[in-house]
Amino acid sequence: EVELVESGGVVVQPGGSLRLSCAASGFTFDNYAMHWVRQAPGKGLEWVSLINWDGSDTYYSDSVKGRFTISRDNSQNSLYLQMNSLRAEDTALYYCVKDKSIGDDPSYYMDAWGKGTTVTVSS
Amino acid sequence: EIVMTQSPATLSVSPGERATLSCRASQSVRNSVAWYQQKPGQAPRLLIYDASTRAAGIPARFSGSGSGTECTLTISSLQSEDFAVYYCQEYNNWPPRLTFGGGTKVEIK
Repeated sequence: EVELVESGGVVVQPGGSLRLSCAASGFTFDNYAMHWVRQAPGKGLEWVSLINWDGSDTYYSDSVKGRFTISRDNSQNSLYLQMNSLRAEDTALYYCVKDKSIGDDPSYYMDAWGKGTTVTVSS
Repeated sequence: EIVMTQSPATLSVSPGERATLSCRASQSVRNSVAWYQQKPGQAPRLLIYDASTRAAGIPARFSGSGSGTECTLTISSLQSEDFAVYYCQEYNNWPPRLTFGGGTKVEIK
């Protein structure tokens, strides 16, 4: 069974930095692209970032580009999100999400989600 | 940026009735649309991809249709466990700028 467990969410001041982690199990991690998706309190879903199977390609939403960095360690079955220059509008539940993937290419839709980790940006 | 607009925002339906949820794209997304279900306090679940293909384990009462700028999710006979928020998502852009709709809440009438 696929399991994705996020960690690292805390309360941080505006302008601060944070690194989220996601531990993956139950599937061959290095066969799949991975995403981060966030959900602000009481709001809808917002895609944040995508990384391909070997980390050679990364993509970001305009709202986080230049501030966030997605990475992965396939030897540790782990996904990361380095978040810098945090703003109040980054406050959200952050989900680690598995791409359904077809061969070496992402499918760009998401077939397994973690329970999320909460990031609060507040002074 | 592609904007995905879902309607209605809230749909009140009685158990056993049919529910039709719409998703309109600001430009053509071909059939590159997925649908997700989210229940309170839970992570989303993939229902439909490529506009009309049911994901593994999804009951046949869920069906997707459409292409271009208009897609529809139909739940043929609502069960108690289907009351939730539903999101559409497009994946037609290159480079990827994946976009979700604002969601439709299906509530008990």
